[in-house]
Amino acid sequence: AQKITQTQPGMFVQEKEAVTLDCTYDTSDQSYGLFWYKQPSSGEMIFLIYQGSYDEQNATEGRYSLNFQKARKSANLVISASQLGDSAMYFCALTIIQGAQKLVFGQGTRLTINP
Amino acid sequence: KAGVTQTPRYLIKTRGQQVTLSCSPISGHRSVSWYQQTPGQGLQFLFEYFSETQRNKGNFPGRFSGRQFSNSRSEMNVSTLELGDSALYLCASSLDAGEQYFGPGTRLTVT
Repeated sequence: AQKITQTQPGMFVQEKEAVTLDCTYDTSDQSYGLFWYKQPSSGEMIFLIYQGSYDEQNATEGRYSLNFQKARKSANLVISASQLGDSAMYFCALTIIQGAQKLVFGQGTRLTINP
Repeated sequence: KAGVTQTPRYLIKTRGQQVTLSCSPISGHRSVSWYQQTPGQGLQFLFEYFSETQRNKGNFPGRFSGRQFSNSRSEMNVSTLELGDSALYLCASSLDAGEQYFGPGTRLTVT
């Protein structure tokens, strides 16, 4: 079975600071993918970044980067130069590459950016 | 390219009724997955369809069902609604493996 753990229920950060959201995962499969999604109060899940288990380099997408440490089974999201619009819920999710597309989500971290 | 669309966006139903939610994936995507989000249980996988076939199903009672049409549009149905079915229902589409893109969700309230 797969599991995602996000240990930070809430985080408060000053605008323009960098922030790291923690995510650890558990799976016995060798081929898997890790996602981060942002969910504003409107409810829509916005895709941020993806890391495959065989990717050598850490994924980056603009201000978002994924700090992937395979041996530690962690996939932390780093947001550089945070903005007020970054305030939202953030979810880490895991999928197994082979077969059906099923995401296993963590409980999420509520990020609040203070001006 | 248009994103994932879900209809309706909001729905209020009474206990015992049934409901059908619709999801239109991104053009070219053949996989559609459904998720239920509640404050207590978080985000939980319901089922996934690929080319009109259900490939995987989550741990939900048989009252929850779905289907996918030849144009990849998908519907999910919940029969005999219970108060606990009140949730945000999210649909996601993908080509096959890899990134899944979500729609805006349908917020269902059961009274």
